[in-house]
Amino acid sequence: SQELEQSPQSLIVQEGKNLTINCTSSKTLYGLYWYKQKYGEGLIFLMMLQKGGEEKSHEKITAKLDEKKQQSSLHITASQPSHAGIYLCGADTGGYQKVTFGTGTKLQVIP
Amino acid sequence: DAGVIQSPRHEVTEMGQEVTLRCKPISGHDYLFWYRQTMMRGLELLIYFNNNVPIDDSGMPEDRFSAKMPNASFSTLKIQPSEPRDSAVYFCASRQTGTYEQYFGPGTRLTVT
Repeated sequence: SQELEQSPQSLIVQEGKNLTINCTSSKTLYGLYWYKQKYGEGLIFLMMLQKGGEEKSHEKITAKLDEKKQQSSLHITASQPSHAGIYLCGADTGGYQKVTFGTGTKLQVIP
Repeated sequence: DAGVIQSPRHEVTEMGQEVTLRCKPISGHDYLFWYRQTMMRGLELLIYFNNNVPIDDSGMPEDRFSAKMPNASFSTLKIQPSEPRDSAVYFCASRQTGTYEQYFGPGTRLTVT
């Protein structure tokens, strides 16, 4: 979606390294979702952010929504091979809970 | 619960044929979503239902696509006639009112030759 841009498109990191994925919206976000997808499988919900400045964590994954509510970052600490997959951000920009997804960031973690 | 169930998991068909994809949402979920995922366009919302009623079908690419939800436990997405550009992975997801998480099925990989 042109409304939602993710960067980088792909990422290769050494196991144990930290990494950050960004998601930028051209519109104000009523809700920002992070999902993970493994090849050949459906999406798995990670977390959802609503309030500007909000930060949530799930195991070693932390996501934050900036104050202006137009950008979110997802940070993985001490990456592991199990973190590999495609990370997608999804945005609710209309306040009606219809989610538009970004194009995803493909993460590879090298042991 | 078994989660969202989709069938078939893989479908290969020839151009011009009718294709029907099926979805069983999680029991108790009153929202159902159909998505299409391709390398070029990413994950796109096609249509979604609330309490079996179509709410927004603005993402349906053209009249060749149709979706129905005859009851709370079953939905279909039909493509007639199919074209090679319809090749994609089609996902079904469901959600319960008052919650944010959409639960996705494993997807149907459609190849139209």
